[in-house]
Amino acid sequence: GDSVTQMEGPVTLSEEAFLTINCTYTATGYPSLFWYVQYPGEGLQLLLKATKADDKGSNKGFEATYRKETTSFHLEKGSVQVSDSAVYFCALSATGGSYIPTFGRGTSLIVHP
Amino acid sequence: DAGVIQSPRHEVTEMGQEVTLRCKPISGHNSLFWYRQTMMRGLELLIYFNNNVPIDDSGMPEDRFSAKMPNASFSTLKIQPSEPRDSAVYFCASSPEDRSTDTQYFGPGTRLTVL
Repeated sequence: GDSVTQMEGPVTLSEEAFLTINCTYTATGYPSLFWYVQYPGEGLQLLLKATKADDKGSNKGFEATYRKETTSFHLEKGSVQVSDSAVYFCALSATGGSYIPTFGRGTSLIVHP
Repeated sequence: DAGVIQSPRHEVTEMGQEVTLRCKPISGHNSLFWYRQTMMRGLELLIYFNNNVPIDDSGMPEDRFSAKMPNASFSTLKIQPSEPRDSAVYFCASSPEDRSTDTQYFGPGTRLTVL
């Protein structure tokens, strides 16, 4: 079945550091890929997405590129801020059959001043 | 525009009591999802509706859990009887259509504590 694997957290960084959160997937067909962010006490919200191979999703300084050859969708940001502290979820939605999304376990990011 | 609305935001109940969680999806959205989030198990899909019809309820833990969607603007998740292991944050999410490219829009969640 479909699956998403994210790096274990927490990831702890100083402000202005470079961020990478790894995400790899297995899926049938050609899935759409998503990164969602969850701030403390809130629901998940879409951060960015990519719907086909080689597409780059970007939002709020975050970027991720859909790499079909390595089945990856790593999240990056050049300079993190304290306000980026949250839990980040990688997810996929496959095109074959059910469109029910599959979520990773989430990666907690803590940014210190 | 109003997002997904859930009520109550917090619920504290005693073991054995019935609990009903409510969700109003975004107007015009055809798909609705109920999730449960815990530290141990992460985010779990409980049930998925499309056009008010339950499509996949394989994630519903057991017969104590039931979900309904009587119309396009309202859904409930009921637990009867509740148990301490049901303590979690329950999220409702909606999406525009039944397509792989669709974004899910999550509500703020209901934090359930069963004593």
